[in-house]
This record gives sequence, C-alpha cells and structure tokens, in this order.
Amino acid sequence: NAGVTQTPKFRVLKTGQSMTLLCAQDMNHEYMYWYRQDPGMGLRLIHYSVGEGTTAKGEVPDGYNVSRLKKQNFLLGLESAAPSQTSVYFCASSYQTSGYTDTQYFGPGTRLTVL
Amino acid sequence: GDSVTQMEGPVTLSEEAFLTINCTYTATGYPSLFWYVQYPGEGLQLLLKATKADDKGSNKGFEATYRKETTSFHLEKGSVQVSDSAVYFCALGPYIPTFGRGTSLIVHP
Repeated sequence: NAGVTQTPKFRVLKTGQSMTLLCAQDMNHEYMYWYRQDPGMGLRLIHYSVGEGTTAKGEVPDGYNVSRLKKQNFLLGLESAAPSQTSVYFCASSYQTSGYTDTQYFGPGTRLTVL
Repeated sequence: GDSVTQMEGPVTLSEEAFLTINCTYTATGYPSLFWYVQYPGEGLQLLLKATKADDKGSNKGFEATYRKETTSFHLEKGSVQVSDSAVYFCALGPYIPTFGRGTSLIVHP
C-alpha cells in the first residue's frame, strides 16, 4: 500500500498563477482533508470531504477550491495564487468508525512558494 | 466549539530525561483523543490514541491517559532519545479532528 500520496512535492508560483494539488489514497477511506501548515500556526483545515462527490469548508477555505470526483482522489485548486498562500500543504484521509473519526493518515506534504 | 491547548515549545531536553507535554481540551460529548508526531520534512503520523475516559494509549515508550475529570491527555515518556526530536500534536475527535498548535521537542545527546 502506498498510503496517501501527494503531487507535486515542491512548487514555485508567481502571484496570479493557478495550480492544482493532487492527493490520492489507496485505503478506501471515506473522509479526506486538506490542511495548511504555517510556522506557529499548527495545522489549519482548508476543506474536507466526507465521501465521493461531497466537499465542505474548513477553517480557512478562502482562495481555495476542491473536488472529489473519485473516492480515492481529492484535488485542491488555487485559482489565483497569492503570497499569503505560501505554505506546506498536507492531505489526510481517515475511516469513520460508528460515526466517529478514526486515525488520520497523512501524505508527505507539498511545499508551495508564491512569489 | 471544540478546542485543544498544548504547551508551547520548544521543549529542550537531554537524552534519557523524562518528558511531559501537556494537552488539555474543550469538547462536548466524549471525543477520541490522539497524539500525532511529525518528524522533520515529513507528514504527521499517529503516535497513540484513546477513545474513552481512563483509557491509556501507548506506543514506542510514549504514554497518555484520557482524563475526563481534568479534560487532559498529557504525553509522557520516561527516557527520551535524540531520535524523538520532532513536533508533537494533540488532537481530538469526534468528527472533523481539531488539532493543537504543536509542541517542538529537541533532544540533545
């Protein structure tokens, strides 16, 4: 099992450019999440999905869009990148056990720099 | 809403010292509690968890007990190693997880 994979690992964008980050999991998890990690801020939830075809906003959704067309994939899009979106982005997935969140499995991260 | 408060770091220890990282939470109901660890340049991975009051989670010499009366889930290890240097995150369920801000641990030889 590859677990949770993220593509790309690194990316540099100019202000105003767009890009898509891809997350894939092979554990048949229902729930998937996108976080950003900034120094001193811990992990902040951007968007999440509770199943194929569903998405919901997290704590810091502005400037991002997501799609979950297939159960195993969760895409994070930046339509017009801004320097404030410079961060490390982590994808995660999890089971739900009797309606409760079980262990999350994280990808290795994507380091994004917006100039 | 749900929240998690962790002690601020960095925590700096010498090898073989005793470690405690405090974590307290605010939540309604009966959340599951987790400790995740993030090694440099990597994603988070589960260290241990507890799903009900008085449960003790343990892994790799680390332990934490779910204390409902004090709403705490403190992480402890009796003798830390240089390889334990990492960032530790406390988190709670029950649905969309809530994370603390993380505590950096630096262990010197």
